[in-house]
Amino acid sequence: QKEVEQNSGPLSVPEGAIASLNCTYSDRGSQSFFWYRQYSGKSPELIMFIYSNGDKEDGRFTAQLNKASQYVSLLIRDSQPSDSATYLCAGGWGKLQFGAGTQVVVTP
Amino acid sequence: EAGVAQSPRYKIIEKRQSVAFWCNPISGHATLYWYQQILGQGPKLLIQFQNNGVVDDSQLPKDRFSAERLKGVDSTLKIQPAKLEDSAVYLCASSPAGGLSSYNEQFFGPGTRLTVL
Repeated sequence: QKEVEQNSGPLSVPEGAIASLNCTYSDRGSQSFFWYRQYSGKSPELIMFIYSNGDKEDGRFTAQLNKASQYVSLLIRDSQPSDSATYLCAGGWGKLQFGAGTQVVVTP
Repeated sequence: EAGVAQSPRYKIIEKRQSVAFWCNPISGHATLYWYQQILGQGPKLLIQFQNNGVVDDSQLPKDRFSAERLKGVDSTLKIQPAKLEDSAVYLCASSPAGGLSSYNEQFFGPGTRLTVL
């Protein structure tokens, strides 16, 4: 079974701090990786995608990919209470496998 | 640009009844996906269409679930008969990319929350 693993959390982050989320995957054939944010009772919302090794920055978000280590991460800088949500990591080739998500709680 | 539309938003049925969900993808998106998301878990792919053909239905419980995408646009997902364990949110997503492309950013609809009593 090809899997994507995430820590379920909750990850408690003070407002203004950096939240660091990690994800590992077992399928070495995976080529594309996505981070989705899911608020309680809502559907997943795409926030970042990354295909190449290294870092990719978009506003307060930075995605990091290391294919040799089969590891993807997401950094959220200057965390805000509105960032409190579950973050889903997904990876694959054509067909995406989703992790169970990491719950992030940003505390004032 | 309008997003992915789904209906109904909520459905409550008794076990052994049937239910159908409808999805209208983002205009021009070739690929359409149906996912099942059980509380506390990530979405699980049930079926993937590219235009009106099935790309992957390996995780669709075919004895009770069926799906179609007529004319390569709208899609319906049906469950007949429903079981208690089918209680979940059913998410439809669409992607502009082809079914075998790695660059398949998927955009989700609001989902249908199904409760089976």
